[in-house]
Amino acid sequence: EVQLLESGGGLVQPGGSLRLSCATSGFTFSAYGMTWVRQAPGKGLEWVSSTTGSGQSSDHAESVHGRFTISRDNSRNTLYLQMNSLRVDDTAIYYCARDEMVAVTGIFHHWGQGTLVTVSS
Amino acid sequence: EIVLTQSPATLSLSPGQRATLSCRASQTVGNYLAWYQHKPGQAPRLLIYDASDRATGIPARFSGSGSGTDFTLTIDSLEPEDSAVYYCQQRSNWPPFTFGPGTKVEI
Repeated sequence: EVQLLESGGGLVQPGGSLRLSCATSGFTFSAYGMTWVRQAPGKGLEWVSSTTGSGQSSDHAESVHGRFTISRDNSRNTLYLQMNSLRVDDTAIYYCARDEMVAVTGIFHHWGQGTLVTVSS
Repeated sequence: EIVLTQSPATLSLSPGQRATLSCRASQTVGNYLAWYQHKPGQAPRLLIYDASDRATGIPARFSGSGSGTDFTLTIDSLEPEDSAVYYCQQRSNWPPFTFGPGTKVEI
């Protein structure tokens, strides 16, 4: 069974940093592209960042470009999102999602339950 | 960036009825459109990808249609557990992948 479990969320002050993790099991992690999607309170889903199965290629939304970095450790079956220079409008539930193949195709077959990030002073 | 709009914003129906949800793209996305179901406190769930392909384990009463800029998600014979927000998402022209604002279905 495919399982994705996010962690690392919490309360952080504006300008601060957090690193989110997404621990996975039930599939060959390196064989799939992975993505972070977020949902701000009362809002819809917003794509944040994606990376290929090898981790050699990634893309980020303009809203987080230069502040957030997606990475992965295929030996640990874990996806990360390093978030720096956090802003109040980064407050959201962050979900990790698995693609359908090693490349990033944008078909998100499996999702985690999410981890809440709150940016507030 | 491709903008997706969804209508209606809210749909209130009774069990057994049919729900018809619309998604319109600001420019053609071919058939590269997906539908997700999202319930509060749960992980989003892929229902339909590439406009009309049902994801694994999705009941046949969920169906998708359309191409280009206009798409429809149809839910036949609604059940109480179908209450959720439904999002469309395009993967035709990225980055960024974009989602619609969602349609809330109340049963």
